Amino acid sequence: DAGVIQSPRHEVTEMGQEVTLRCKPISGHNSLFWYRQTMMRGLELLIYFNNNVPIDDSGMPEDRFSAKMPNASFSTLKIQPSEPRDSAVYFCASRDHREPYNEQFFGPGTRLTVL
Amino acid sequence: AQSVTQPDIHITVSEGASLELRCNYSYGATPYLFWYVQSPGQGLQLLLKYFSGDTLVQGIKGFEAEFKRSQSSFNLRKPSVHWSDAAEYFCAGASGGSYIPTFGRGTSLIVHP
Repeated sequence: DAGVIQSPRHEVTEMGQEVTLRCKPISGHNSLFWYRQTMMRGLELLIYFNNNVPIDDSGMPEDRFSAKMPNASFSTLKIQPSEPRDSAVYFCASRDHREPYNEQFFGPGTRLTVL
Repeated sequence: AQSVTQPDIHITVSEGASLELRCNYSYGATPYLFWYVQSPGQGLQLLLKYFSGDTLVQGIKGFEAEFKRSQSSFNLRKPSVHWSDAAEYFCAGASGGSYIPTFGRGTSLIVHP
């Protein structure tokens, strides 16, 4: 298996632009997580899905952030409009949630820089 | 509140020395506990996990961790550190109905030659 795939790996954009981050989970995994990592706040859970349904989006910082999972093999995280404080590394992770002790598998991350 | 605490932001060791990274948890019931490693520019990779049974857990890359209920700890150890072990280490815990992991702030390991 190729593992969790994220694209792009790096994104540089200007304030006010729309940014879309993409994630392909490991085949057969039915939970998907979006995290944001910064020096100041560490690793923050933004949202997670079970069976393509958003379960908890309480970590999404504000309405500028939205996430979708149209099918079991694809998810997007969108920021519109982007702001400099959104600069961070965004990770996608997947897990087989049939056993609660199963670990999460992380993608390589997308490093977002908003100028 | 359920939480995981890593008291040490940075740890510096010499290559070949032993290592212990601390992790404390705060959960009502016994949580599922994990240690992940993050190399620069990479995602997190699981080192080991504990959910029941033997309290000494063996992981990859020569790491082990011991669950101590009396101390609410799950410290990560390695008898002899290699330069390639320099990375960020995260402890995580999960409990309750959703079993969504809570991550510590991480400990940065620096290895001197």
